[in-house]
Amino acid sequence: GAVVSQHPSWVICKSGTSVKIECRSLDFQATTMFWYRQFPKQSLMLMATSNEGSKATYEQGVEKDKFLINHASLTLSTLTVTSAHPEDSSFYICSAPPPLAGGTDTQYFGPGTRLTVL
Amino acid sequence: AQSVTQLDSHVSVSEGTPVLLRCNYSSSYSPSLFWYVQHPNKGLQLLLKYTSAATLVKGINGFEAEFKKSETSFHLTKPSAHMSDAAEYFCVVDSGTYKYIFGTGTRLKVLA
Repeated sequence: GAVVSQHPSWVICKSGTSVKIECRSLDFQATTMFWYRQFPKQSLMLMATSNEGSKATYEQGVEKDKFLINHASLTLSTLTVTSAHPEDSSFYICSAPPPLAGGTDTQYFGPGTRLTVL
Repeated sequence: AQSVTQLDSHVSVSEGTPVLLRCNYSSSYSPSLFWYVQHPNKGLQLLLKYTSAATLVKGINGFEAEFKKSETSFHLTKPSAHMSDAAEYFCVVDSGTYKYIFGTGTRLKVLA
């Protein structure tokens, strides 16, 4: 069945560096992908909608210069956390809508990437 | 705008007793509603979904939920809790075109 993968599954970086997280749709194409953020013991908050071939759409309050999203192909979206700070430490999860012929109407979620900024 | 409210942040039950996790929704039209479960340090797993078909929805692992339009509720139930059910549960509404809005979550604790 359709699967969404994320890489890396966890990453630790120093404050001030940038970190790239990849989200891939395996075995299907995704013109749209979504990025969520989950703080410890909290819910998931939608950050942005990634659109293949065009700019991402960010939710209110999300800094687009801080969280750079690139949907380079029909199977890959990347989230780059620029100049990361400890408050950016979080669990980042991507998702993709099902393919039209997939037989389901439910999104596919990636396994998440845990970012820790020291 | 679509939204969901999970009425309990924490629920504790004894193993073998029923589980009830409450969720109310707000929507201007018939929504698509979901329940997801997240075990510690794990990703999300879909338990069940409601998409305007049968109001009583059966999911995996013995869970079910009933869509009640008159009460704008979509509570999650299970007849008998198991230790492995301990996790975080999210009620979710599709706000349109697969943009999911998550509730604040309910942490279920199962006591031996």
